[in-house]
Amino acid sequence: DQQVKQNSPSLSVQEGRISILNCDYTNSMFDYFLWYKKYPAEGPTFLISISSIKDKNEDGRFTVFLNKSAKHLSLHIVPSQPGDSAVYFCAASGTGNQFYFGTGTSLTVIP
Amino acid sequence: DAGITQSPRHKVTETGTPVTLRCHQTENHRYMYWYRQDPGHGLRLIHYSYGVKDTDKGEVSDGYSVSRSKTEDFLLTLESATSSQTSVYFCAISESWKAFFGQGTRLTVV
Repeated sequence: DQQVKQNSPSLSVQEGRISILNCDYTNSMFDYFLWYKKYPAEGPTFLISISSIKDKNEDGRFTVFLNKSAKHLSLHIVPSQPGDSAVYFCAASGTGNQFYFGTGTSLTVIP
Repeated sequence: DAGITQSPRHKVTETGTPVTLRCHQTENHRYMYWYRQDPGHGLRLIHYSYGVKDTDKGEVSDGYSVSRSKTEDFLLTLESATSSQTSVYFCAISESWKAFFGQGTRLTVV
């Protein structure tokens, strides 16, 4: 059973607007939550993360929010740019250096 | 850049043939992983290693084996390739609580 879920396979947003990507998880023992960005024909690249003891982490245009009671996290991109068009994977890590990935959300930013 | 190199980058092979994919890292990290990426499934763990000669299975390990005889190299072998193993394969290493990925190997089994 999948421990990390991304229920939206795709998302389209106008340039300059906010993109919100969502992720749900089932295991309350995860220590860190991460977002990866993937362009076609490239490997996933680390984007931003958040520790389980925090509820928000910001890095430039990217902010990740964690709601532990709801077992939900979200990635906000403001303002969205055409270069942000990619597949975004949510991931969680816990004991034993294990990583669990969601199925990905394909973001398209329309110029 | 985590210094991860995958080879080959692309391969086409016939059903029933053995295939070995190589992952090489330059950073001396203890943990290495093999994932496959398929539409609708995201990244799924095949096998991982936590040291030389120390490996364990992931969620989709059937039909795959791995070896790690040196810290820097992690090999993934398909003993007898099947069409269901057509996929993009990613090697990763972990540094603390983050994972870093290689560029991927696109494998097509015909």
